[in-house]
Amino acid sequence: DSGVTQTPKHLITATGQRVTLRCSPRSGDLSVYWYQQSLDQGLQFLIQYYNGEERAKGNILERFSAQQFPDLHSELNLSSLELGDSALYFCASSASESTEQYFGPGTRLTVT
Amino acid sequence: AQTVTQSQPEMSVQEAETVTLSCTYDTSESDYYLFWYKQPPSRQMILVIRQEAYKQQNATENRFSVNFQKAAKSFSLKISDSQLGDAAMYFCAYRSWSGGGADGLTFGKGTHLIIQP
Repeated sequence: DSGVTQTPKHLITATGQRVTLRCSPRSGDLSVYWYQQSLDQGLQFLIQYYNGEERAKGNILERFSAQQFPDLHSELNLSSLELGDSALYFCASSASESTEQYFGPGTRLTVT
Repeated sequence: AQTVTQSQPEMSVQEAETVTLSCTYDTSESDYYLFWYKQPPSRQMILVIRQEAYKQQNATENRFSVNFQKAAKSFSLKISDSQLGDAAMYFCAYRSWSGGGADGLTFGKGTHLIIQP
């Protein structure tokens, strides 16, 4: 157990819908990262937040957005969902920007 | 942009033997971090080992060690005394470190490691 929690574990929704994925980092970690793992694209970095502020962006679509709240938990919002958005979404956290990242168990999103 | 290449989609090894997984990367940066992550069938991503580019000494964690060749941009993982629990996908990952900046991990496509009993 990495100490990073993600909810829900599984999510099934229809095309065009919007969903929110939630992540709680390890106690004391200020940095949160979101990743997408799909068969087509492999593991891709989406976005990073550090102590409430956006710090780095990867291959995140405009339909996707994220935020980190004052209690340091983070949410990833996915809208206008397409079949290709079906993937495993990971959240990771680290104590600082220079330390290793610890991954949560992931949220499996299925878009039908 | 950095790229990470794992040229072995699948590797097989007998239990108790040693196996080496290959990873090469492309970067113009001088400071960076390299990692190996393990993903068993549970899909959990587990950090195996970490290497800072400025360190010449290769990192070691119990049965896991790396061969880091900075000039060749090579970062291989050696697993000694392979155990059935080592069976998993192994991902090599790169992370830049540019003057206090931040970035996510860039992953290779992974190597599926099979342990033969």
